[in-house]
Formats: sequence, structure tokens, C-alpha cells
Amino acid sequence: GAGVSQSPSNKVTEKGKDVELRCDPISGHTALYWYRQSLGQGLEFLIYFQGNSAPDKSGLPSDRFSAERTGGSVSTLTIQRTQQEDSAVYLCASTPGTYIYNEQFFGPGTRLTVL
Amino acid sequence: AQTVTQSQPEMSVQEAETVTLSCTYDTSESDYYLFWYKQPPSRQMILVIRQEAYKQQNATENRFSVNFQKAAKSFSLKISDSQLGDAAMYFCAYRSVNTDKLIFGTGTRLQVFP
Repeated sequence: GAGVSQSPSNKVTEKGKDVELRCDPISGHTALYWYRQSLGQGLEFLIYFQGNSAPDKSGLPSDRFSAERTGGSVSTLTIQRTQQEDSAVYLCASTPGTYIYNEQFFGPGTRLTVL
Repeated sequence: AQTVTQSQPEMSVQEAETVTLSCTYDTSESDYYLFWYKQPPSRQMILVIRQEAYKQQNATENRFSVNFQKAAKSFSLKISDSQLGDAAMYFCAYRSVNTDKLIFGTGTRLQVFP
């Protein structure tokens, strides 16, 4: 009965390094979303998965960002060659399906700091 | 493209009083959904209340209610009998019937004073 979990909770990295952020959705939830929350900004949509497929990648800011989902469960967001502007909180959410009225259940996020 | 605007970066209220958080949005669609999310310091977003655009009746959830004005594209959140635990960031969000993503405003930080 656990909620959405994300790891690590906090990540500090040096500019130019690659990072991987992990999201474990609620068991049985088929839809998974990644959002980015920069300081003073609202949440910005990055990518959405239905099962292992990503029908909407429109929010990924550059080709340095990629994400995958395996087994219809865990998802990994990878940022290559990190830049200081990538510093933000990365939030993951999941829902039982794609019915529009579904509540998106959010994880606690990963705070990424790029030095 | 749809946009969501929250013009109040910060608001404050005394315990037991009522506060209203503003949200306006821009869309050319006639059917959509609107949400208010709360984000406490733990960072975990929690759904507070939601409204279907085709429903004229304003949604209510205990001490939380909305004033949905479709023609004005306004969706304000009223918190009655404010409690210390209501202190958090509040985000207004829009979801089109045609996409799967939420579009968020920039948030309002609510402080509650005893």
C-alpha cells in the first residue's frame, strides 16, 4: 500500500556529469508522469508513460534528457552532461490509467543540485 | 496553448479565519478539468479539490471549496476555518481532455498564523 517513491531524495552533482533519477509508482498504476519544479516556478511537464511506452515526450527540454520505463513499473529519468539550469526538484506521479479525472499521486521528488 | 496564472505569490491568514486563493487560466476548450494541489514542506503534492468544467456546481471538500467562473476563466480556492496544517504551497492546475499532462500555475505560498 505504499505511495509513489523516488530516489535519491537529494542529489548533488558536478556540471557535466550524468545523473539517474528513479521513480517507483504505486503498484498497478499504468500511467506515470515526470514533472520538473524549478525555484519559484510551478511544475513543468516533462514526459508521460502509459505502460512502457511514452506517447508524450513533449516536455523534455533537450536531448540531454531521456526517460525509460521497464516492466510497466519503475521509471528512470536520465540527465546527461548536467548543467546548472538543470537544478530543480524532479517529481514523479502515477495514476491507475489515463482517465482524465484520475488523481495523479505524486512522490516526494528528487532535489537535484548541479554545482 | 493553455496557461494557468496565480497572481498571489504569498498569502497569509489567521487561524480559524477564511482565505481565498486566486487562479485564472486561458483556454479555447470548452471541456477540461481543474485541480488545486497542496505542497507542504515535505514536497509531496496532495490533491485538495477538483472541478469538471461542464459541472456548474462548485466543488466542495470539507473546509475547502472553489468558486468556478467558467466565463471569466477563474477558479479560486476558499479555505474556511484555516488551520496551522494548511500552511503550504498551493498550486492550481489545468488538464485538457485531449492531453494527459497537468499544466500548473506558479503557486501561492500560504502562511497561517496562530
